[in-house]
Amino acid sequence: GENVEQHPSTLSVQEGDSAVIKCTYSDSASNYFPWYKQELGKRPQLIIDIRSNVGEKKDQRIAVTLNKTAKHFSLHITETQPEDSAVYFCAAITGNQFYFGTGTSLTVIP
Amino acid sequence: DTEVTQTPKHLVMGMTNKKSLKCEQHMGHRAMYWYKQKAKKPPELMFVYSYEKLSINESVPSRFSPECPNSSLLNLHLHALQPEDSALYLCASSHPRVSNEQFFGPGTRLTVL
Repeated sequence: GENVEQHPSTLSVQEGDSAVIKCTYSDSASNYFPWYKQELGKRPQLIIDIRSNVGEKKDQRIAVTLNKTAKHFSLHITETQPEDSAVYFCAAITGNQFYFGTGTSLTVIP
Repeated sequence: DTEVTQTPKHLVMGMTNKKSLKCEQHMGHRAMYWYKQKAKKPPELMFVYSYEKLSINESVPSRFSPECPNSSLLNLHLHALQPEDSALYLCASSHPRVSNEQFFGPGTRLTVL
């Protein structure tokens, strides 16, 4: 089955700086890669996603890049704000089954 | 309606109790999922229903019993749980023929005493 690795497990940045979270996957059949943000006690919320036929996608301060050959994808958050503090999960999807990364706890220091 | 709803929000039960978690969506999604999530860990898939049929059971103990009465509802029946089953139980739904995106409910925080 699919194996998704996510790094780093914790990340602290100063407000206004950029944050980058990286994931790798193993199954070349995976074709959809969402990123979820989860605040304490709340549900995971989809913040951006990318499909395997696209290399990069941007939505305001958030961007995702995908390298299919290397089987890795990354989340980039620019101009970070304290409200960006949360746990972020990447995932790789094969069929209708999600494989989540282990999560990154992001803290944005004001 | 673009939300997945779950009830109850919180549940405390003893190891001999029987209880049920409920999940509902009215987005016409035909796949529904149960996940278990421990603090600061990723959601762990438990069950997948596709077109009201159980398609994936990730070796979940029989003290968890899923039920999909119709395309909008998903239940998780709980019986003889253990304290280590305490977790956030998340329901999600998707429309497999339209998009891979899964929509998560707010979860039920379960505590087993």
